[in-house]
Amino acid sequence: ETGVTQTPRHLVMGMTNKKSLKCEQHLGHNAMYWYKQSAKKPLELMFVYNFKEQTENNSVPSRFSPECPNSSHLFLHLHTLQPEDSALYLCASSQDPGGTGNNQPQHFGDGTRLSIL
Amino acid sequence: QQQVKQSPQSLIVQKGGISIINCAYENTAFDYFPWYQQFPGKGPALLIAIRPDVSEKKEGRFTISFNKSAKQFSLHIMDSQPGDSATYFCAASPGNQFYFGTGTSLTVIP
Repeated sequence: ETGVTQTPRHLVMGMTNKKSLKCEQHLGHNAMYWYKQSAKKPLELMFVYNFKEQTENNSVPSRFSPECPNSSHLFLHLHTLQPEDSALYLCASSQDPGGTGNNQPQHFGDGTRLSIL
Repeated sequence: QQQVKQSPQSLIVQKGGISIINCAYENTAFDYFPWYQQFPGKGPALLIAIRPDVSEKKEGRFTISFNKSAKQFSLHIMDSQPGDSATYFCAASPGNQFYFGTGTSLTVIP
């Protein structure tokens, strides 16, 4: 059983739909992340939450809206997406070292494959 | 600007051979360098990681070589097996944010 669970695994939606991606981590971590993975590109960091507070937003369009109600759950709300938003969306979690310098690895879910019609 | 540059993009190795994937970075604030392995339909999984206070780390058939002065690090897979066929990503981190390479698709042929 993976420590990071993402649902749904696949999602097909039209450009005018509203949907949400869900991520849950069972590792006791305090930081969670959303990444976009497209072919032949590096993983693109979208959002970072530390202790439920958003600390990074890498110029992501407003049609993507994150929500982190607690340190174990993370959502990505989608609205009016474009065809170029079709990609694999990965959630990850880690234990924020809190400035100790003792970086910890990120643990990934298996992603949601999103297709925009 | 790409923070971590990875090469090659794809690699084909005979079973039993050595697979070598290289990464380079510029930001001297990076102090943690993990490698991830990703199979189709799965998320990236941590394979091995190194911190800059050592030049090499070995775990089983996987070795990271780290050259701090050159700002380069590489993954060596000894005795490569068909089950190692996957996409490999290097990454670098100055804290809780990670920067990833573009990935290397490794195929190990029997």
